[in-house]
Amino acid sequence: DTEVTQTPKHLVMGMTNKKSLKCEQHMGHRAMYWYKQKAKKPPELMFVYSYEKLSINESVPSRFSPECPNSSLLNLHLHALQPEDSALYLCASSQDLGTGAFAGYTFGSGTRLTVV
Amino acid sequence: AQKVTQAQTEISVVEKEDVTLDCVYETRDTTYYLFWYKQPPSGELVFLIRRNSFDEQNEISGRYSWNFQKSTSSFNFTITASQVVDSAVYFCALSDPYNNNDMRFGAGTRLTVKP
Repeated sequence: DTEVTQTPKHLVMGMTNKKSLKCEQHMGHRAMYWYKQKAKKPPELMFVYSYEKLSINESVPSRFSPECPNSSLLNLHLHALQPEDSALYLCASSQDLGTGAFAGYTFGSGTRLTVV
Repeated sequence: AQKVTQAQTEISVVEKEDVTLDCVYETRDTTYYLFWYKQPPSGELVFLIRRNSFDEQNEISGRYSWNFQKSTSSFNFTITASQVVDSAVYFCALSDPYNNNDMRFGAGTRLTVKP
């Protein structure tokens, strides 16, 4: 299995809703990443987990709450989002942090989030 | 600070034309890695190539080729005999495994190949 699987593929939520994005990989990778990509923009790093511990938080607002319950799973909990948070949310993984930096990441196909 | 510049926002070619996507990068580090990713409309980023800063050898993979020149801090990507399936957004990216482990992307170039 060489895939990163993200669910759901599409999500529409209201500003008062609570929802979660899920990312799963079974490649034995120990680093996992959340990226946010606005339309016609490059992906921007949000969070990095290394060995299930949060390694990097790129000053993301607290309405985004990541969670890594085990080495295969990465969640992004969403609460009280704003319309400007509408974007494609990409998950990625790499064997570990250092390997990722020189070997690249495996990306999922993303969740297209619309906040209404 | 690391920076990747893809000056071409959009390129449109007719099938079978050759096309080159430019990528210029900035970094103060001597060890770094450069990547090209393809993002089709489905959304996922597809890895195309990786090159480390010590390996300036150009690479060819089928219709794809890459020209890495440290002297001009460029890592350009050429598609020969383009096909409609090549239509996508292409991102150049830079990572430094000894500083930030994250990957910094250029703004991307949207390539449209018309039949």
